[in-house]
Amino acid sequence: ETGVTQTPRHLVMGMTNKKSLKCEQHLGHNAMYWYKQSAKKPLELMFVYSLEERVENNSVPSRFSPECPNSSHLFLHLHTLQPEDSALYLCASRMQGGYGYTFGSGTRLTVV
Amino acid sequence: GESVGLHLPTLSVQEGDNSIINCAYSNSASDYFIWYKQESGKGPQFIIDIRSNMDKRQGQRVTVLLNKTVKHLSLQIAATQPGDSAVYFCAENSRDSSYKLIFGSGTRLLVRP
Repeated sequence: ETGVTQTPRHLVMGMTNKKSLKCEQHLGHNAMYWYKQSAKKPLELMFVYSLEERVENNSVPSRFSPECPNSSHLFLHLHTLQPEDSALYLCASRMQGGYGYTFGSGTRLTVV
Repeated sequence: GESVGLHLPTLSVQEGDNSIINCAYSNSASDYFIWYKQESGKGPQFIIDIRSNMDKRQGQRVTVLLNKTVKHLSLQIAATQPGDSAVYFCAENSRDSSYKLIFGSGTRLLVRP
């Protein structure tokens, strides 16, 4: 365990479903991140939250909606996704002003 | 613009040999670099880091070399073991956008028994 926990580990959803991914960290970090990892592509930054405020939305479609209710929890709400959204979604955290991320194990999402 | 790239998508080495994974970056404002290892089904895990005021840093069986003149970073793994098989990513932190890391596309290391 890295200290960053993501649930669920696997998710299969239809294009009309609504689901949420959850990320939780108890490392005392105050910045949290959502990344998308597709096959043979670099990690794509989706959203950044610093001190619970969204500081970056990296041109992500509105069918992805993040939520950061406190510094320990981060959600990614999903609705009307497309098959090309199938990927590994990674959450990471770190101390603002610090350098390295701590990653969770990811949620493997399949959209059918 | 920001870009971090890897020279080779796949590297195959014999068990016991040394491995060298390379990475190029383009942002002169990058001041911190990290290597991550990602095993199948897991998230990336921190291996070693280096700041821009250093040329070399050593860990347990791993060494990172930084050449700022040519904007090149390498990860050396000594006596490669089967457990080293994974995808390796380099990442940079830039003074221009210090709250996020920029990742390369990754190199897959395969260790032959």
